[in-house]
Amino acid sequence: KAGVTQTPRYLIKTRGQQVTLSCSPISGHRSVSWYQQTPGQGLQFLFEYFSETQRNKGNFPGRFSGRQFSNSRSEMNVSTLELGDSALYLCASSLGTGINQPQHFGDGTRLSIL
Amino acid sequence: KNEVEQSPQNLTAQEGEFITINCSYSVGISALHWLQQHPGGGIVSLFMLSSGKKKHGRLIATINIQEKHSSLHITASHPRDSAVYICAVTDKLIFGTGTRLQVFP
Repeated sequence: KAGVTQTPRYLIKTRGQQVTLSCSPISGHRSVSWYQQTPGQGLQFLFEYFSETQRNKGNFPGRFSGRQFSNSRSEMNVSTLELGDSALYLCASSLGTGINQPQHFGDGTRLSIL
Repeated sequence: KNEVEQSPQNLTAQEGEFITINCSYSVGISALHWLQQHPGGGIVSLFMLSSGKKKHGRLIATINIQEKHSSLHITASHPRDSAVYICAVTDKLIFGTGTRLQVFP
């Protein structure tokens, strides 16, 4: 069974641009959660999607948004990029909704802002 | 004070040693995750537990909900155990800052 796939693996952008990251969950998993990891703040929860609906949201500005498609694939968008958005972005999928489900993580997308 | 504290922040060990990583939290929870992150970023979920103890191979995780404390133990440590170990308090979606473990042969 294929694992969680995140694309692209690496991305370089400049301030002010926008970026879209993609996450394909394990087949059959309907929940996708997104996380940001930085050296200073560690891992932080961004949001969770289940059945195309955002179920939970972390404390991030509105520049961070996401969506989920009917096949459970999810995208995360960050607009008006700032230097501080440089981070490893991880997604995780699970069978059901709620963070109290076993999470299966992708390898992440490393975003660098110049 | 962080709501989830891990100790130690860094840990070095010789192969074969018994390792303990601690996680204390100040919020109410129903479950706690232990995660392992290898260089390069990939994260593996090791345990999700809400009470007592779980064991998987050489790894053992315990939790005491009343004392708001969890421990991750590694028996007979091996260089391939070198990674960052992160505890996560799931109800509030808060992560500890991680414990960087290096096991030398």
